[in-house]
Amino acid sequence: DSGVTQTPKHLITATGQRVTLRCSPRSGDLSVYWYQQSLDQGLQFLIQYYNGEERAKGNILERFSAQQFPDLHSELNLSSLELGDSALYFCASSVGEGLQYFGPGTRLTVT
Amino acid sequence: GENVEQHPSTLSVQEGDSAVIKCTYSDSASNYFPWYKQELGKGPQLIIDIRSNVGEKKDQRIAVTLNKTAKHFSLHITETQPEDSAVYFCAASHPSYDKVIFGPGTSLSVIP
Repeated sequence: DSGVTQTPKHLITATGQRVTLRCSPRSGDLSVYWYQQSLDQGLQFLIQYYNGEERAKGNILERFSAQQFPDLHSELNLSSLELGDSALYFCASSVGEGLQYFGPGTRLTVT
Repeated sequence: GENVEQHPSTLSVQEGDSAVIKCTYSDSASNYFPWYKQELGKGPQLIIDIRSNVGEKKDQRIAVTLNKTAKHFSLHITETQPEDSAVYFCAASHPSYDKVIFGPGTSLSVIP
């Protein structure tokens, strides 16, 4: 158990809909990262937050957005969903220096 | 931009044999190199890491070596077991910011 929690574990929704994925980092970790992993693909970095502020952006679509709240939990919002958005979405947290702890992921299926 | 290459993309070994996965990185300022193991349906889990001031690190059947001059590092698994079957990701981290670049992954299959 990494100490990072993600909810929900599974999510099934239709095209065009909007969903919110939630992540709670390990106690004391200020950084939260979001990754997308499609079938048999690597980890695609989406976005990083540090202590409530956006720090780095990766290949995140304009339809996607994220935020980190004062209690350090983070939410990833995915809107106007397309079939190609079906993937595993991972959150990771870090205290710094590159060591990241990953959550168990949310499996999103868009039908 | 920063890039991490990883080879091979797939690897099959017989149980008991050794497995080696190699990675190269582009940013010479990178100084932290973690390795993650991802089992089916789970999140990546850190298995070993190495910092740039060390050339080799070992933890039981797993070892990592680092060649900063050549900008490459490798994961060595000895006496492989079926439970070692997973996808392995290498990564490189730059010291001035908390960003980690992941390699594309290696799918390791250990055949009983």
